[in-house]
Amino acid sequence: GDSVIQMQGQVTLSENDFLFINCTYSTTGYPTLFWYVQYSGEGPQLLLQVTTANNKGSSRGFEATYDKGTTSFHLQKTSVQEIDSAVYYCAMSLTGNTRKLIFGLGTTLQVQP
Amino acid sequence: EAAVTQSPRNKVAVTGGKVTLSCNQTNNHNNMYWYRQDTGHGLRLIHYSYGAGSTEKGDIPDGYKASRPSQENFSLILELATPSQTSVYFCASGEGNYAEQFFGPGTRLTVL
Repeated sequence: GDSVIQMQGQVTLSENDFLFINCTYSTTGYPTLFWYVQYSGEGPQLLLQVTTANNKGSSRGFEATYDKGTTSFHLQKTSVQEIDSAVYYCAMSLTGNTRKLIFGLGTTLQVQP
Repeated sequence: EAAVTQSPRNKVAVTGGKVTLSCNQTNNHNNMYWYRQDTGHGLRLIHYSYGAGSTEKGDIPDGYKASRPSQENFSLILELATPSQTSVYFCASGEGNYAEQFFGPGTRLTVL
């Protein structure tokens, strides 16, 4: 069935460190892939959208790349700051008319000053 | 100014009681969603709607009902609340396929 796997549950970094979070997906269709960010006490919000047509997306210093060969997509940032501390979710939207998102389990990023 | 609002923000209920969680959106989106968020499970879809009068079952609908009386409002109803339904619930709205979903601030529900 359709699924999204996000293995890293918790990541702790220091300011200016490099961030890399990976997700893999499984579907028979042509997905659109997303990264959502959730700050403490708030609902998730869209960070990046990556389509299988353009392979990449970027926003707020974050970059997302999609690899069809390995059915994976990852989020990276060259130099994280303390304000980036949040939960990051990868998500997949399926083709067809379901208009649903399938979320990964989330990665809690803690950036120490 | 917030486009998706939820009420109440916090709720304590007793086992067997009825709980209604409300969501209002000013985005004029056709699609609305209810998720629950639990440690170790991420965000899971309970019910969703394509427009006023429609409700669809999501991935974990058991024990929940939904109601979409208007474009703006989408409610989640727990007829007989159980402690396993203690969670944080998020409402979201969106438009079209592959489109961004806009989330509310969440409702923390505790069932004793």
